[in-house]
Parts: sequence; C-alpha cells; structure tokens
Amino acid sequence: DAGVTQSPTHLIKTRGQHVTLRCSPISGHKSVSWYQQVLGQGPQFIFQYYEKEERGRGNFPDRFSARQFPNYSSELNVNALLLGDSALYLCASSQKGQHNEKLFFGSGTQLSVL
Amino acid sequence: GENVEQHPSTLSVQEGDSAVIKCTYSDSASNYFPWYKQELGKRPQLIIDIRSNVGEKKDQRIAVTLNKTAKHFSLHITETQPEDSAVYFCAASSSTGGFKTIFGAGTRLFVKA
Repeated sequence: DAGVTQSPTHLIKTRGQHVTLRCSPISGHKSVSWYQQVLGQGPQFIFQYYEKEERGRGNFPDRFSARQFPNYSSELNVNALLLGDSALYLCASSQKGQHNEKLFFGSGTQLSVL
Repeated sequence: GENVEQHPSTLSVQEGDSAVIKCTYSDSASNYFPWYKQELGKRPQLIIDIRSNVGEKKDQRIAVTLNKTAKHFSLHITETQPEDSAVYFCAASSSTGGFKTIFGAGTRLFVKA
C-alpha cells in the first residue's frame, strides 16, 4: 500500500529560477495540501486542494501556485526563487479534504536555493 | 494573523518520567487539534487528535487535553521510552474562511535511558 509520494527528493536551484514539485496522494484520497517546513520550525500551510479546486491558501506570495489533476496528483510551482524559499516542502493527502481529517504526509522535497 | 504557540521548544526527560507539551492558539474558529510526531529525517505522523466538543482524549500512554475557553491544549506522554524521542508538533485547524491548519514551531523531546 503506497503512501504519499513526492518528487524529486532533493533539488538545487539558483535565485530567480522556477521550480515544480510533484505529489501523488494515497490511492482513494481526493485532497492534497502543501506545506513549507524551514529547518527548526513547524510546517507552514501553503495550499489545500480538493477535487481540483483550491479550498484554502496560506500567507504566501503569488510566486507560489499549485494545481491538482484529475487523478488527484498535484504540483506546486514556485517562480522567481529567493534564498528564503530554501526549505523542505511537504505534501499531505486526506480522503475528503475536510479540515478535521487525519493528514498523511509524504517524505518531502528538500529545496536549496543558491 | 492566526498563530499557534508551542512550549517548550526542547524537553529532556528521564526514561519512565512524564512529558508535557503545551500549545496556545489564537483563532477562535479552530475546532480540530492534531498532534504530529516527526522522527529525524522522517515524515510527520499523526499520533493523536482532539475535536473541540471533547475536553480530553487518551490513547495508551498518550493523552491530550483541550481548554477552549483559554485556547490551550496539551499533550501528555506517560512512562516515556527512548523511542518517544522526536519532534512533536501541535496544530489547530478550522474551515472558516477556507481550509486552514496552523502548526506550532515544534518541541524536541529527548528521553534519556
């Protein structure tokens, strides 16, 4: 039984570039949410999607965008990368996208911006 | 904006002792409070959660209490074991104004054998 999978596991980019991170939810889960985790801090909510619709958005600039596909997988895009975007990006899936559901996290994508 | 404060940031206990981690939330619309455990290099995993219509919940050595009036909730781990060593995150979640889950900054728990 596959869990939440994220790709790539590690990524190195330079300032100004853009990046696309990918997430596949657990089979049967229709909701995906994205979090940014800076070293030593808790995950910060970026987006939540359910049935391809954005259901929630955190306090992140417009450089961050996301989408969900018909198979419920998701992409997180970040444009014009800044040094401060360096972090672990976590994806989590849940069955119905309700705020009081258990989240299943992936292992994350470690992004380094040089 | 909404935030969740978590204390202490680091906690060291002797094996067999109890550990208590406390969180305070600001968004009065929050009504779901999960706790996640993250071991070094691994993904966060839910260990226990509580909804706002309940004041306390227990699962073996782990318990969570909620005081809605004071906007406080706490994690209690009894009879700690070395494998309890990890970072613990509290979170507060609401659906008012859109899905929102706010995490605390985490508590690094060390259980000394």
